[in-house]
Amino acid sequence: LAKTTQPISMDSYEGQEVNITCSHNNIATNDYITWYQQFPSQGPRFIIQGYKTKVTNEVASLFIPADRKSSTLSLPRVSLSDTAVYYCLGLSNSGYALNFGKGTSLLVTP
Amino acid sequence: NAGVTQTPKFQVLKTGQSMTLQCAQDMNHEYMSWYRQDPGMGLRLIHYSVGAGITDQGEVPNGYNVSRSTTEDFPLRLLSAAPSQTSVYFCASSSSSGQIDEQYFGPGTRLTVT
Repeated sequence: LAKTTQPISMDSYEGQEVNITCSHNNIATNDYITWYQQFPSQGPRFIIQGYKTKVTNEVASLFIPADRKSSTLSLPRVSLSDTAVYYCLGLSNSGYALNFGKGTSLLVTP
Repeated sequence: NAGVTQTPKFQVLKTGQSMTLQCAQDMNHEYMSWYRQDPGMGLRLIHYSVGAGITDQGEVPNGYNVSRSTTEDFPLRLLSAAPSQTSVYFCASSSSSGQIDEQYFGPGTRLTVT
């Protein structure tokens, strides 16, 4: 499993774009960068996954540079309901455990 | 589809008691797993199953048993509860055992052992 490092916490105001950066210097060739979101008192929820360049869906965008040693999750125009913990994981098809770590706790305020 | 369901939502046990946490999924997923999450910590894998009749240990299996007699159900048994097992327990499933496949998590069971 790729070891990932991300900020413990971030604060934002409603309507702003939030970028959460994740470092993964030892990412393997077969690893995909995957982000999960966890609201208080709920289980984690898959939000986006990518291998390189840019991936966008209805929730977020994921930017992965060519060297793949880091990635950035971008949440456009956050709202109060985006307050959650965001986990960055480096995953492959070998092994079973998802190493969630402590994630980044995002607090969105009015 | 109900997705992944877990019962009970909350449970208080006394030290030494046993109980079973229930997990069921209606997505016909082969892979199911159990995690625990302690305050301020990430999730740690307890046990997992790659299909009916097949289970294996994760990172923190001591004190827990699992079985998988059907594709839908994956119960977690606490043999003799200890205060160290106070935690939130999440069950997850996915269509295959590959890590990169989207995992669907249940709402969790909050367990307190006194």
